[in-house]
Amino acid sequence: LAKTTQPISMDSYEGQEVNITCSHNNIATNDYITWYQQFPSQGPRFIIQGYKTKVTNEVASLFIPADRKSSTLSLPRVSLSDTAVYYCLGLTDSWGKLQFGAGTQVVVTP
Amino acid sequence: GAGVSQSPRYKVAKRGQDVALRCDPISGHVSLFWYQQALGQGPEFLTYFQNEAQLDKSGLPSDRFFAERPEGSVSTLKIQRTQQEDSAVYLCASSLELAGPLNTDTQYFGPGTRLTVL
Repeated sequence: LAKTTQPISMDSYEGQEVNITCSHNNIATNDYITWYQQFPSQGPRFIIQGYKTKVTNEVASLFIPADRKSSTLSLPRVSLSDTAVYYCLGLTDSWGKLQFGAGTQVVVTP
Repeated sequence: GAGVSQSPRYKVAKRGQDVALRCDPISGHVSLFWYQQALGQGPEFLTYFQNEAQLDKSGLPSDRFFAERPEGSVSTLKIQRTQQEDSAVYLCASSLELAGPLNTDTQYFGPGTRLTVL
């Protein structure tokens, strides 16, 4: 199972791009990298998932370099509603159970 | 369509009481997971069901915790003789496909039940 390390918190202003880097030095060949977002009083919500290179969807982009020992979640032009905790997870295990860390608290201010 | 729902949303119990937390997964979802989230921490895995079969209960913290999913849809997490350290948010998640190695199927989470044990 890939143990992940990410910053505890990040602050940003509205309209800026936020990049959260996650380290996963022990990532295994079969591991995918998955990011979830959690708002207060809600359950986590899937954002994006990737194996290598770059993945983009309507919410975010995920950059994974060739060695796959880190990944960067990029949130373009954040708004106040992007204030949340963001979790980077290594996705592997016998039953696909998610292994969350403490996550990164992103606070967006006007 | 409806997402994962959980009830009650909030539960206050006196130490020693038994509690039952309900999860209604998305219709047709095969896999169901329970997680426990302490204040300021990420969710931690408790148990996993594939239809009605409980295939992994390695995360249940003690034998006071019991989960079931008798008909492969609704699931109940029961905690007997609650203790203060059981205070947490209990999250339920479901996914469409069978879980397993390399499974990348998205898990959909409910809003959680916040349990406070006094």
